Amino acid sequence: AQKITQTQPGMFVQEKEAVTLDCTYDTSDQSYGLFWYKQPSSGEMIFLIYQGSYDEQNATEGRYSLNFQKARKSANLVISASQLGDSAMYFCAMRRTGRRALTFGSGTRLQVQP
Amino acid sequence: ETGVTQTPRHLVMGMTNKKSLKCEQHLGHNAMYWYKQSAKKPLELMFVYSLEERVENNSVPSRFSPECPNSSHLFLHLHTLQPEDSALYLCASSLRLAASTDTQYFGPGTRLTVL
Repeated sequence: AQKITQTQPGMFVQEKEAVTLDCTYDTSDQSYGLFWYKQPSSGEMIFLIYQGSYDEQNATEGRYSLNFQKARKSANLVISASQLGDSAMYFCAMRRTGRRALTFGSGTRLQVQP
Repeated sequence: ETGVTQTPRHLVMGMTNKKSLKCEQHLGHNAMYWYKQSAKKPLELMFVYSLEERVENNSVPSRFSPECPNSSHLFLHLHTLQPEDSALYLCASSLRLAASTDTQYFGPGTRLTVL
């Protein structure tokens, strides 16, 4: 069975600093996709970044980057230059080829302090 | 980004009421999903539709009834719900059904409270 583990229930970071949110996954599949979503208190699940299992380079999207270590089965999200608007829940998710559902982790609540 | 919209955003209903949640996607996607997010639980997939055909029903009670009249619209009809059904209901869509590379885009959700 596939599983996503986010070990940090809550994180604090100072504004303008970088922060890393941890995510490890467990699958025996070779082909899969890893996703990070942000969920503000309003509830919407906002897509941030995607990493394919065969991608050799780490994905980057603006201030977001994904530190993908396939051998360790980790896909950590790095947010550079944190902003107050980054305060939210962050979810790591995985989808295997041929599977319909995303499997989500339990999330990390990030609070950015001024 | 308003690729996926959901109405209403908030809903309070009694256990004997009948209501419907609506989802609309403007992304030209072929697959649509209903997820349930309860407090302190991971997101749970409820239903999946591909090209208007239901392809998955994850043991969801019959008091939840989905409907997909076309590839852009998805409904969740609710009747005789229980208080434990109170949750955030999220709709999502993706271009294809089962490609690991396809991102699922979510709507803003409907926060449902059952009294």
